[in-house]
Amino acid sequence: EDKVVQSPLSLVVHEGDTVTLNCSYEVTNFRSLLWYKQEKKAPTFLFMLTSSGIEKKSGRLSSILDKKELFSILNITATQTGDSAIYLCAVPFAGNMLTFGGGTRLMVKP
Amino acid sequence: GAVVSQHPSRVICKSGTSVKIECRSLDFQATTMFWYRQFPKQSLMLMATSNEGSKATYEQGVEKDKFLINHASLTLSTLTVTSAHPEDSSFYICSARDHTGTGNSPLHFGNGTRLTVT
Repeated sequence: EDKVVQSPLSLVVHEGDTVTLNCSYEVTNFRSLLWYKQEKKAPTFLFMLTSSGIEKKSGRLSSILDKKELFSILNITATQTGDSAIYLCAVPFAGNMLTFGGGTRLMVKP
Repeated sequence: GAVVSQHPSRVICKSGTSVKIECRSLDFQATTMFWYRQFPKQSLMLMATSNEGSKATYEQGVEKDKFLINHASLTLSTLTVTSAHPEDSSFYICSARDHTGTGNSPLHFGNGTRLTVT
């Protein structure tokens, strides 16, 4: 059975801290892994990872995939209160359908 | 970039009534759209896959007669919650992918609909 597991479930940090969010997966016919950020409404796309060991970076956020160990991490450096959100990891299966992990709720305190 | 529009963003209805939620792809065509439900503080749960011109595919445990899905065109899918009950109150989100893109292009999400059934 395909599954995606995220950890930790929740995280509270202070501004300026660096956080690492984890996503492990078991999916047949793996093609890609996606990270989304969800604030009050729908998720917004962050990264799509398809190849092992190649870091994707956008500002203070970066992500990398390890296809051998079947996991990905999302790093946020110098966190800000605006980074507070639920971060979702998802893996497509059976065509376009996404299997989502349970999400990590990040709260960044001033 | 690709935009998915979902309407309404918020709806309050009385128990027993039906509610229709629309999901439109604004600048691309989508042969397939997806409907998710999200409970408070939980992740997205796939409800069904909406296929243009054919019947939707429902996930296990989702009542197809209660959550009617129609995908009449390449840019519009609708979800109708029939005979709504308070336990149907939730956040419903649709998503779509440009069917002309590569198989690895990301899904784009609508902004969601918060349904409250009183």
